[in-house]
Amino acid sequence: DAGITQSPRYKITETGRQVTLMCHQTWSHSYMFWYRQDLGHGLRLIYYSAAADITDKGEVPDGYVVSRSKTENFPLTLESATRSQTSVYFCASSTSGVVEQYFGPGTRLTVT
Amino acid sequence: GQNIDQPTEMTATEGAIVQINCTYQTSGFNGLFWYQQHAGEAPTFLSYNVLDGLEEKGRFSSFLSRSKGYSYLLLKELQMKDSASYLCAATGGKLIFGQGTELSVKP
Repeated sequence: DAGITQSPRYKITETGRQVTLMCHQTWSHSYMFWYRQDLGHGLRLIYYSAAADITDKGEVPDGYVVSRSKTENFPLTLESATRSQTSVYFCASSTSGVVEQYFGPGTRLTVT
Repeated sequence: GQNIDQPTEMTATEGAIVQINCTYQTSGFNGLFWYQQHAGEAPTFLSYNVLDGLEEKGRFSSFLSRSKGYSYLLLKELQMKDSASYLCAATGGKLIFGQGTELSVKP
């Protein structure tokens, strides 16, 4: 049982390119989240989803797009990557919005 | 506004006790989480306080005072493996994280 996985684990891309980060969970959790973690800022919520086909913005949504057609998948797309989007991205899932979240291993993204 | 404050760094000695404080201001507060994050790894859940008071879980305890907007994480009998970042997070609909406290445990 893999739990929650992210792919790729490491990615280097160029400014202006589109890149998609994948997140997959096997627990059938209703809620899924995307965070970015940067030095000096801690974890910041980008987008979250309460169920399939329901998504909402978090604290820093600009430049990102999400979709959730299936409960188990929650991809995050950077439509035109910028250097400021260089970060570690964590996906998380939970059974509801006010219980503990389970985090994936993270994707380290570098935009050159 | 919403704000979480916790110290950036702390150092403690193996076998000792350390208290990591967290103050928060969030609208529609529901509860307070503590997560542990080792370098290069994902955060893992430690505790969740909804009511005022102390919750004990082995060597770790967490305290909440809703009226003061204050929480602390208490780590007893420190071990080298406790060296990590400790993240305080308040939930009021969405989870808001503090910047984390980097704890170094020295022999």
